Amino acid sequence: DTAVSQTPKYLVTQMGNDKSIKCEQNLGHDTMYWYKQDSKKFLKIMFSYNNKELIINETVPNRFSPKSPDKAHLNLHINSLELGDSAVYFCASSEYNSAWAGGRDNEQFFGPGTRLTVL
Amino acid sequence: ILNVEQSPQSLHVQEGDSTNFTCSFPSSNFYALHWYRWETAKSPEALFVMTLNGDEKKKGRISATLNTKEGYSYLYIKGSQPEDSATYLCAFINDMRFGAGTRLTVKP
Repeated sequence: DTAVSQTPKYLVTQMGNDKSIKCEQNLGHDTMYWYKQDSKKFLKIMFSYNNKELIINETVPNRFSPKSPDKAHLNLHINSLELGDSAVYFCASSEYNSAWAGGRDNEQFFGPGTRLTVL
Repeated sequence: ILNVEQSPQSLHVQEGDSTNFTCSFPSSNFYALHWYRWETAKSPEALFVMTLNGDEKKKGRISATLNTKEGYSYLYIKGSQPEDSATYLCAFINDMRFGAGTRLTVKP
């Protein structure tokens, strides 16, 4: 069983379209994350949800909207796609919100990534 | 240090060599530092969660140390093997900031 899954794995679309990437974790974790791997291969945090509540919202365009229907899912909706949105997007989860983890191991488990190409 | 910095950017070693690399991070109000191993075409996988100043953790031939007062962590690999070839990332958990990684290549 895949612990953190993302769909689709590849997404090719035209500029201006609206698309969604889904993420599901079956680990029973409370916290989920979206990262963007930029052109320099950096992983940059976009959003984090703890138990369906938004806790981290970095400076990303408001065309990006996360939605968490339950704590096992964190989907990423992107409106009016632009060329610069092309990247690999990674979902991750951890047992706790890192700020509250104390000394407990709270590593993140990553999904396989979704490669988005905007033409 | 304002950013999370990793050095060196890349490293080529021979099989059997021991190696180490550095992660530097802001030293104020520390929560945790994570080390991840990222193989090409795969996802990052956690190696260590470092939370206390002076922490030393070990997993097989790989170990890590933490100095929160001066803001650095070292990752050591003893007797490198070709399967250790990967990018090693550190993440400063206060604000989920990842370093750029150290890309390790181990030649047989």
